[in-house]
This record gives sequence, C-alpha cells and structure tokens, in this order.
Amino acid sequence: AQSVTQLDSHVSVSEGTPVLLRCNYSSSYSPSLFWYVQHPNKGLQLLLKYTSAATLVKGINGFEAEFKKSETSFHLTKPSAHMSDAAEYFCVVSEGDDKIIFGKGTRLHILP
Amino acid sequence: SAVISQKPSRDICQRGTSLTIQCQVDSQVTMMFWYRQQPGQSLTLIATANQGSEATYESGFVIDKFPISRPNLTFSTLTVSNMSPEDSSIYLCSVDLQAVYNEQFFGPGTRLTVL
Repeated sequence: AQSVTQLDSHVSVSEGTPVLLRCNYSSSYSPSLFWYVQHPNKGLQLLLKYTSAATLVKGINGFEAEFKKSETSFHLTKPSAHMSDAAEYFCVVSEGDDKIIFGKGTRLHILP
Repeated sequence: SAVISQKPSRDICQRGTSLTIQCQVDSQVTMMFWYRQQPGQSLTLIATANQGSEATYESGFVIDKFPISRPNLTFSTLTVSNMSPEDSSIYLCSVDLQAVYNEQFFGPGTRLTVL
C-alpha cells in the first residue's frame, strides 16, 4: 500500500535562505511523485513531478526535488526563499492506476 | 493543462440545507474528482466522477450525502446535502489529463461555512 509522510507540519525560514520540505513515501512499485502548492485562498498548483525519468526534478518558481529510492524520499528544496513562497505544500504519491495519496501538508513561513 | 472554474467560490449556509457546487473545465476530460479539505487537514478524496457511469465514492462518503452529477465531459456538480457544521470545508474538483501519471489540475475551490 502506498503512503506519504510529510515530516514537518510547519517550517519557518528567513527570506533569502534555503528551503527544505521533507517527504517520505511508501510504495510497492515505482511511484509517481508530485509536489503541489496551495497559496492562501487559492487552488492547488502543481510545482513539479517525478515519473521515473531524471531523479532530480526541476519545477516552477525555482523549486526542485530529488527522488532517492534508497531513502524513499522526495524532499523539496529551493536555494533562496522569497516572501511569495509562503504557502501550504503537499507531497503526493501515485502508483499506476491507483489513487493518489496526499501528505498532510507543510506550511512554509517566510520571515523578513 | 486545463482551466477549471468552480461556483460558488464561497457560501455560508444554514444547518439542514443543501448546496450544489459546480465544476466547469475548458476541455473534455474523462476523469474528474471531488476533494474535501477540512480546516487544518490535508485533502481527502470524496469520489471519482467519470462521464457515463455512476460516481465511485471513497470510504466514509455516501451518495445520499454527496450526490454527484456528470452530465458531459466538461462539467460536474457535487451536492452537500442536509449540511451540518462538520461539513464546513473547502471543496475542490480536479481533473486528470494524463491517465498514466495521474497528474491532476485543481479548481480554485469552494469555501463552505455551515452555521
């Protein structure tokens, strides 16, 4: 059975410093992995996705994530945080035709 | 990609009433989904709505409470029936454009408050 764990419910970083949002998954097969972002009062937006191609995936707004099978992780990173990055981030796992499973979300706070 | 709109964007309703949420997509899609996001929670899938067949409900959700219509490939409705304050949530519809990788596109959501 597939599952996804976002290790931090809240993360606070100062503007201009790196961002790390952690995600671990459990999957019986080769999963597809996604990160979505939800800004306040907005719908969900796809940041990036991993689908068994390159293990380092680049997304929008300077975000990237690395698929590490040995660690069953798919952490989201950004070199330099911006105030506009303050939002809720969801890690998502999917196997083939199975349903997609959302993590509980990590709220990212950017300190001035 | 897909552009998805939802109506209403928000509503405040009285206990015991029903609200129908509309979801419109700018292209024809086979698979549409309805999610609920309760305050402080992650998204939970309510049901899958494929055109031409009955909606498939997830555990904990029933058709009498959340009837769904899918009259064509660009439109769906979700009704929240006999509402209680516990139904206060954001309701989102989404579509799956790439069946292999399950990439989904989400509507802006409907924020429902039940008094």
